Amino acid sequence: AQTVTQSQPEMSVQEAETVTLSCTYDTSESDYYLFWYKQPPSRQMILVIRQEAYKQQNATENRFSVNFQKAAKSFSLKISDSQLGDAAMYFCAYRSGNYGGSQGNLIFGKGTKLSVKP
Amino acid sequence: DTEVTQTPKHLVMGMTNKKSLKCEQHMGHRAMYWYKQKAKKPPELMFVYSYEKLSINESVPSRFSPECPNSSLLNLHLHALQPEDSALYLCASSQVLFVGTDYEQYFGPGTRLTVT
Repeated sequence: AQTVTQSQPEMSVQEAETVTLSCTYDTSESDYYLFWYKQPPSRQMILVIRQEAYKQQNATENRFSVNFQKAAKSFSLKISDSQLGDAAMYFCAYRSGNYGGSQGNLIFGKGTKLSVKP
Repeated sequence: DTEVTQTPKHLVMGMTNKKSLKCEQHMGHRAMYWYKQKAKKPPELMFVYSYEKLSINESVPSRFSPECPNSSLLNLHLHALQPEDSALYLCASSQVLFVGTDYEQYFGPGTRLTVT
């Protein structure tokens, strides 16, 4: 079974600084997708960034980028120029590419609560 | 429109009550999901509907009864719940997934359920 581990329950960053959130995963599959989701205090979960396992190039979305190390099964999220609005719970998630009966089943890590200090 | 709406936002119910949670999307998505999220925990998948048919039931107790009356609407009927069922219930939708494809899941804001 696949597992996702986020070892940092809480992180803090100064506004305008850079922070990196860690995520490791365990799988025996070769085809899968990795995600970072953000859940602000208002609760709605939104997708921050996505990485296909077969792509070697690290995904980037504006101030958000990932460091995908497939051999090490590591998928960290870097937030540059942190803003107050980045304060939220961040979940790392895994989805198998071999859907079969597990239609879209996202496996989440326990989350990292990010605080941004003004 | 990339919005998933959920009603009500908050619900307090007794253990003998029957209530329903509602989820709606108008993005043309044919896969819809129910998740349960306890405080400070990640979401846990409960049910998945694909083309209005139940495709996954993650061993959820029968006091939770999902229903997908049409492609835009997903309900979760609640009956004889326990206090430990108190949680945030999230709905999500996406395009139906096939091997080699990947589509974003869009989440609703959730219904905060308290069982007394």
